Amino acid sequence: NAGVTQTPKFQVLKTGQSMTLQCAQDMNHEYMSWYRQDPGMGLRLIHYSVGAGITDQGEVPNGYNVSRSTTEDFPLRLLSAAPSQTSVYFCASSSPRYTDTQYFGPGTRLTVL
Amino acid sequence: EDQVTQSPEALRLQEGESSSLNCSYTVSGLRGLFWYRQDPGKGPEFLFTLYSAGEEKEKERLKATLTKKESFLHITAPKPEDSATYLCAVQASDDYKLSFGAGTTVTVRA
Repeated sequence: NAGVTQTPKFQVLKTGQSMTLQCAQDMNHEYMSWYRQDPGMGLRLIHYSVGAGITDQGEVPNGYNVSRSTTEDFPLRLLSAAPSQTSVYFCASSSPRYTDTQYFGPGTRLTVL
Repeated sequence: EDQVTQSPEALRLQEGESSSLNCSYTVSGLRGLFWYRQDPGKGPEFLFTLYSAGEEKEKERLKATLTKKESFLHITAPKPEDSATYLCAVQASDDYKLSFGAGTTVTVRA
């Protein structure tokens, strides 16, 4: 199993550009989530999904969109990038019955100029 | 709103010098408290889940304990490879979401 994969690993955008961060898992997990990590602030939840076709907002959803058309994939879209979105983004997945084992991807480091 | 506070922010240890990290929390009914390890440039790696006050779990030189208001991660006789950021998170009883603390960065010198 590859676990949770994320692409790209690094990305530089200009203000106003849009892009999609990819996340995929091969563990048949129903629960998937997106976090951002900023220095001194820990991981903050952006959006999450408890299954295909079901998504909900987390703590910091503004400026981001998600969709969940399959169990495996959970892309995160930045609609119009802003410097405040410069961060490291992590995707995670787990089985709803065993959410104690939440597996994280390797992260995407995004810089918005 | 769930809150998680970790202390200290940073901890520098000599190899073999045991110490403890603190995670204090407020949550509306605790479903679980989680400890993760994060190495630079990588995603968090799961270590432990604790479910009720008085519970303890161990893995190699790490031991996690839980009370009704806080959790401790004890590092016994640490080695340089224990250097990492340790994250604490809580999950409320009616939710799947995790709320994370800011982490404690541990540096172990040989």
